[in-house]
Amino acid sequence: GQSLEQPSEVTAVEGAIVQINCTYQTSGFYGLSWYQQHDGGAPTFLSYNGLDGLEETGRFSSFLSRSDSYGYLLLQELQMKDSASYFCAALLLSGSARQLTFGSGTQLTVLP
Amino acid sequence: ETGVTQTPRHLVMGMTNKKSLKCEQHLGHNAMYWYKQSAKKPLELMFVYNFKEQTENNSVPSRFSPECPNSSHLFLHLHTLQPEDSALYLCASRQRETGELFFGEGSRLTVL
Repeated sequence: GQSLEQPSEVTAVEGAIVQINCTYQTSGFYGLSWYQQHDGGAPTFLSYNGLDGLEETGRFSSFLSRSDSYGYLLLQELQMKDSASYFCAALLLSGSARQLTFGSGTQLTVLP
Repeated sequence: ETGVTQTPRHLVMGMTNKKSLKCEQHLGHNAMYWYKQSAKKPLELMFVYNFKEQTENNSVPSRFSPECPNSSHLFLHLHTLQPEDSALYLCASRQRETGELFFGEGSRLTVL
């Protein structure tokens, strides 16, 4: 089956740097996405890695290593508003169809 | 505001009731999805529609019945549900070029 593993909880303080890891076991892997979801809100897209390496978007960066079936989301200069759940999601190809399979999510708590 | 609207936001129903969830997007996307989100579990893909045609049914029980009358609207018809079906049901549409999913804020369903 298709599975993605990520830590269930991470805690850090304001201004710190935190890395959320994601390992995957999938077939038809095409790329890795990250989504953020605040309590009571909709998941929102953060980043996508279609190629190996680092993608940087402001305070957030995402990394992919296909050979290691591994990726991570790096959050810098943490702010209180970054407290949320973060999901990695593998974009999979099945024939001509694409679908996203999600990890269980990492609850990030940012402390003052 | 993601451009994807779901109604109702909250729904309580008995096991013998029939109800429907509605999703609407005017982003010009041609692919729409239903996901189920339960506590501490990954988002579970339920159904996928591309150009109004159902392309994925992820072994979902027949008490869930999707309908996609056009590319902007998606329904999930519910009947004779079980208490374990209580969850947040998320609708999403996909941007074809980037693969990014745009989620609605979900319909929180409680089955008594």
